[in-house]
Amino acid sequence: EAQVTQNPRYLITVTGKKLTVTCSQNMNHEYMSWYRQDPGLGLRQIYYSMNVEVTDKGDVPEGYKVSRKEKRNFPLILESPSPNQTSLYFCASSSGQVQPQHFGDGTRLSIL
Amino acid sequence: AQKITQTQPGMFVQEKEAVTLDCTYDTSDPSYGLFWYKQPSSGEMIFLIYQGSYDQQNATEGRYSLNFQKARKSANLVISASQLGDSAMYFCAMREIQGGGADGLTFGKGTHLIIQP
Repeated sequence: EAQVTQNPRYLITVTGKKLTVTCSQNMNHEYMSWYRQDPGLGLRQIYYSMNVEVTDKGDVPEGYKVSRKEKRNFPLILESPSPNQTSLYFCASSSGQVQPQHFGDGTRLSIL
Repeated sequence: AQKITQTQPGMFVQEKEAVTLDCTYDTSDPSYGLFWYKQPSSGEMIFLIYQGSYDQQNATEGRYSLNFQKARKSANLVISASQLGDSAMYFCAMREIQGGGADGLTFGKGTHLIIQP
């Protein structure tokens, strides 16, 4: 089954404790992206990747890092999480610019 | 200025009626794609329908159709014969192909649709 898999689905942690949210897709998609969703703000792009070893900032990249060492994986790293990063995070992938993005089920992060 | 505007924060509709969810967009890029996504209360994002800026005909997918009016920069989603399971948040999104900014989807703030029996 074609899918985008994010882990964990839920995480409660404390300020400053490094965490990684993994994202994996099995569709051989070149394009992958991370979004965060906050009430009243919709979804905003954090980082994206056009291909292996090619990443770039989205609209709200501060406080986040990503890497794309393999085509299927695109982890999101919070080196020193802060409470304002409490949010619902989505990973997405697509085969091209005009193709629909397939979303993972989301990761709900709470930073205390 | 917002790139995607959804003017209806919430809508109540009677079951079996048709629903139109509004979306206007702003871009100077001649090449772009417009998408609609559904987000039920369970939280996942479900792709519904896509319209390319050069497509001559309005997109349709089952009960979903997209009323694309390029000159007015609007891309309204029409759901025919609404069902209780259509209750969800609906997001309009745009992807500019040649845009100079970050690549990816720009989302509107969403419309919360509630279908009443």
